[in-house]
Amino acid sequence: KNQVEQSPQSLIILEGKNCTLQCNYTVSPFSNLRWYKQDTGRGPVSLTIMTFSENTKSNGRYTATLDADTKQSSLHITASQLSDSASYICVVSAKRGNKLVFGAGTILRVKS
Amino acid sequence: GAVVSQHPSRVICKSGTSVKIECRSLDFQATTMFWYRQFPKQSLMLMATSNEGSKATYEQGVEKDKFLINHASLTLSTLTVTSAHPEDSSFYICSADRDSDGYTFGSGTRLTVV
Repeated sequence: KNQVEQSPQSLIILEGKNCTLQCNYTVSPFSNLRWYKQDTGRGPVSLTIMTFSENTKSNGRYTATLDADTKQSSLHITASQLSDSASYICVVSAKRGNKLVFGAGTILRVKS
Repeated sequence: GAVVSQHPSRVICKSGTSVKIECRSLDFQATTMFWYRQFPKQSLMLMATSNEGSKATYEQGVEKDKFLINHASLTLSTLTVTSAHPEDSSFYICSADRDSDGYTFGSGTRLTVV
């Protein structure tokens, strides 16, 4: 069964600190993996997309890694800001035409 | 990049009335759009796949007559919640993209049925 599991469920960190969110998946055949940021009451916004051959992808203070062998991905946030408070969702896609498989998300709260 | 616009962002309606939500692709044509529902602190749940010029494909457990989908053009899909009840209150999100994989999401619609 195609599944995406994220950890932790929620996280509280101090402004300026770094954090890492985890995503494990069993989706097969794998096409790509995306990390999204979803602010409360808004739609998800794409942060990074990674295909099978990519190990690392950065977008500003966000850096995603992918290990296709162990089927794990991480999202590292550097020097967190209050505006980083949101839900971060890992989404994995199988081959073209298949439905997206969503993780349950990690709720991040950055406090001052 | 692909831009998906969703309207309205918030709507409050009375029980028994119908509500229409619009999803537009602004800078590309979308033969396929997707409609999701999201409950508080949960991830997105696919409701249906909207296909331009043909009937939508609904996920198991989603009532076709309750959630009417119309994809009449390559840039517009609408979701109508008919005879709304308080349990239909939720956050509805659409998605689309140029390759019909649905990676770009709209900003969502918060529906409250009173």
